[in-house]
Amino acid sequence: KAGVTQTPRYLIKTRGQQVTLSCSPISGHRSVSWYQQTPGQGLQFLFEYFSETQRNKGNFPGRFSGRQFSNSRSEMNVSTLELGDSALYLCASSLLPGSEQYFGPGTRLTVT
Amino acid sequence: KNEVEQSPQNLTAQEGEFITINCSYSVGISALHWLQQHPGGGIVSLFMLSSGKKKHGRLIATINIQEKHSSLHITASHPRDSAVYICAADTDKLIFGTGTRLQVFP
Repeated sequence: KAGVTQTPRYLIKTRGQQVTLSCSPISGHRSVSWYQQTPGQGLQFLFEYFSETQRNKGNFPGRFSGRQFSNSRSEMNVSTLELGDSALYLCASSLLPGSEQYFGPGTRLTVT
Repeated sequence: KNEVEQSPQNLTAQEGEFITINCSYSVGISALHWLQQHPGGGIVSLFMLSSGKKKHGRLIATINIQEKHSSLHITASHPRDSAVYICAADTDKLIFGTGTRLQVFP
């Protein structure tokens, strides 16, 4: 069974631009969670989607948004990028909310 | 004070040593996760536990719900165990500890 895939793997953007990251979960998994990892703040929860609905959201500004499609694939969007948004963005999928999560390889975003 | 605290932050060991990493949390949880992250960023879920003890190969995870404390043990450590180990409290969203960087030398 294929694992969680994330595209792109690396991305360089300029301040003020917006970016969209994509996550394809393991086949059959219906829950997708997104995380941000930075050297200063460590790993932080962004949001979780299940059945195309956001079920939980972390403490991030409204510039961070996401969605989930009917095939469980998910995207997250960051608008008006700031230097501090440079991070590794990880998604994880699980069969259902609260079950074991399987992480993707991450997208490394650099904002210049 | 962080809701999830890990210790130690850094750990070095000789191959074959027994290793313990500790995790304390101050929130109510449905489960406690132990994760492993290798250089390059990939994260692997090692354990998800809500009570007692789980074992997988040379890795053992325990949790004491009353004391809000969990431990990850590695028996007969090997250089390939070198990684960052992260615990995460599951409160309907994951709250992560800051990680323990483990280096095992031959």
